[in-house]
Amino acid sequence: DAKTTQPPSMDCAEGRAANLPCNHSTISGNEYVYWYRQIHSQGPQYIIHGLKNNETNEMASLIITEDRKSSTLILPHATLRDTAVYYCIVRPYGSSNTGKLIFGQGTTLQVKP
Amino acid sequence: NAGVMQNPRHLVRRRGQEARLRCSPMKGHSHVYWYRQLPEEGLKFMVYLQKENIIDESGMPKERFSAEFPKEGPSILRIQQVVRGDSAAYFCASSPTTGEDGYTFGSGTRLTVV
Repeated sequence: DAKTTQPPSMDCAEGRAANLPCNHSTISGNEYVYWYRQIHSQGPQYIIHGLKNNETNEMASLIITEDRKSSTLILPHATLRDTAVYYCIVRPYGSSNTGKLIFGQGTTLQVKP
Repeated sequence: NAGVMQNPRHLVRRRGQEARLRCSPMKGHSHVYWYRQLPEEGLKFMVYLQKENIIDESGMPKERFSAEFPKEGPSILRIQQVVRGDSAAYFCASSPTTGEDGYTFGSGTRLTVV
């Protein structure tokens, strides 16, 4: 079972920031938070990951709360091409990592004109 | 630098036939993962392989399914005696190490069993 909880769907206006929440209250100290998205039955696409510090790359920003029990993925200027299912995943780092990702149901983000 | 290449993109098999799905990882990636997505369902891990070794096959059905990643050539997911319930999208991903910096997924193979 997935160790994360996400809202099933969200809407966002084109050009506005999309803030996607994720709850991972049982996260362990050696587990990272990863975000992937899947656009209309294509292969999933890696977005970003983090441990406890906020992270930013060319696609998005990841804000992780101080207690690490929740996080928010931010798409700063959403476009219609960002319409997708967004998955928040926790997985261990290092020697206890088996390489497996456990996908939940994700959040379907609909970006509207 | 080509991404993860999967072929065929679409595969139709009659019940009882064999299906062979191929995955060529990105250049320099020696770790391969297979996932299955049944219609209207989420992605489920199947198997994790390194060159010539199966590392984790905890998601593979016990019968009819097998996977390999030979020293030379692509990774192969093989489904023997296919049934209608095998109809799904099968995605392959690769990484240079165990994926700490994210996986690269292919576009998938859509298997339809008629």
